[in-house]
Amino acid sequence: EAGVTQFPSHSVIEKGQTVTLRCDPISGHDNLYWYRRVMGKEIKFLLHFVKESKQDESGMPNNRFLAERTGGTYSTLKVQPAELEDSGVYFCASSPRGGAYEQYFGPGTRLTVT
Amino acid sequence: LAKTTQPISMDSYEGQEVNITCSHNNIATNDYITWYQQFPSQGPRFIIQGYKTKVTNEVASLFIPADRKSSTLSLPRVSLSDTAVYYCLVGERLNSGYSTLTFGKGTMLLVSP
Repeated sequence: EAGVTQFPSHSVIEKGQTVTLRCDPISGHDNLYWYRRVMGKEIKFLLHFVKESKQDESGMPNNRFLAERTGGTYSTLKVQPAELEDSGVYFCASSPRGGAYEQYFGPGTRLTVT
Repeated sequence: LAKTTQPISMDSYEGQEVNITCSHNNIATNDYITWYQQFPSQGPRFIIQGYKTKVTNEVASLFIPADRKSSTLSLPRVSLSDTAVYYCLVGERLNSGYSTLTFGKGTMLLVSP
């Protein structure tokens, strides 16, 4: 069974540019979560989808971040325009219905904004 | 106020049993206790979850006392490949009614030959 995949593995962009991160959850998992770890900090929750519906985005830092989950399958997280403080590792996780605590994480996308 | 408190780091030798204790004094009645493992350049990986008493799987055991204010992850006979960061988590209820994970700093376990 394929795990959670994320693309790209690493992205380096300049301040002001736009970047789109993609996450493909495990097939059949209704729940999809985005987290991020910025330099020296803990992993922080960003938002949660159930299928295509955005349930909670209380962790999104500001309106430069936009997440979508097309058709309840893969998800994208767009940062526009990127700022230096957006640098970090962005993790995606998925879980089956009712499985909030046993989440399956992807390898993460390392975003570097210069 | 941190939801969980655990050692910053621990050292061990191969073959030893490692116990990592986590404090969660303000755990809610319906919260589960979950432990994750993370290797460098990888996402966290679920290890074990429990509510009370003892839970055991093929990887680890989790001991939870009756007051549930702490828990201990036990790794039997660790190997070099168990070197990783271990996170103790309790659930966080979102405004949506769903739950998610709140990560703390974790415990860096270093296993030496």
